[in-house]
Amino acid sequence: NAGVMQNPRHLVRRRGQEARLRCSPMKGHSHVYWYRQLPEEGLKFMVYLQKENIIDESGMPKERFSAEFPKEGPSILRIQQVVRGDSAAYFCASSPGQGSGELFFGEGSRLTVL
Amino acid sequence: GQSLEQPSEVTAVEGAIVQINCTYQTSGFYGLSWYQQHDGGAPTFLSYNALDGLEETGRFSSFLSRSDSYGYLLLQELQMKDSASYFCATDNNAGNMLTFGGGTRLMVKP
Repeated sequence: NAGVMQNPRHLVRRRGQEARLRCSPMKGHSHVYWYRQLPEEGLKFMVYLQKENIIDESGMPKERFSAEFPKEGPSILRIQQVVRGDSAAYFCASSPGQGSGELFFGEGSRLTVL
Repeated sequence: GQSLEQPSEVTAVEGAIVQINCTYQTSGFYGLSWYQQHDGGAPTFLSYNALDGLEETGRFSSFLSRSDSYGYLLLQELQMKDSASYFCATDNNAGNMLTFGGGTRLMVKP
């Protein structure tokens, strides 16, 4: 049973370019969460999605960042016009949605902005 | 707003017992989770407490006091492989939308 799959694992972009990070949840999970982590820091919530719906995006910057979880295909976190401060590890997690406190995380996508 | 406080670093020796505390302030509370993360790796779920008391899972136990907004993770018979960062996280909407603490870096020495 495949876990949460994220790609790319590593991504290098120059300032001003776009970054697209993809996440396929575990089979049977319809809830996806994106977190951002800077070195030596905790996980910061960005956005919570269900199929075709954004449930909560309170942690996502208002500009340049967007997320989707279409009916078919993976969830996408899109960062437009990247800046050096966007360099971080972006983790995706999934859950079946019930309040078990258990999220299943992917291995993360590490974005480096030059 | 929500905030969680936990020590930034803890050091212990192999075979010892260590307790990592977590205090939280949150509007709405459903439960407290604990996660382990090895350097550069995916966070992995350890435990979840929705009710007061102690939950035991092998060498790891987790405790919650809702009235004190406090919990802890207890690691027994420490092994070198337990060296990692440990995060507490609160669930405030029963939808698993977790807020994480800053993490405690545990170093286990021989």
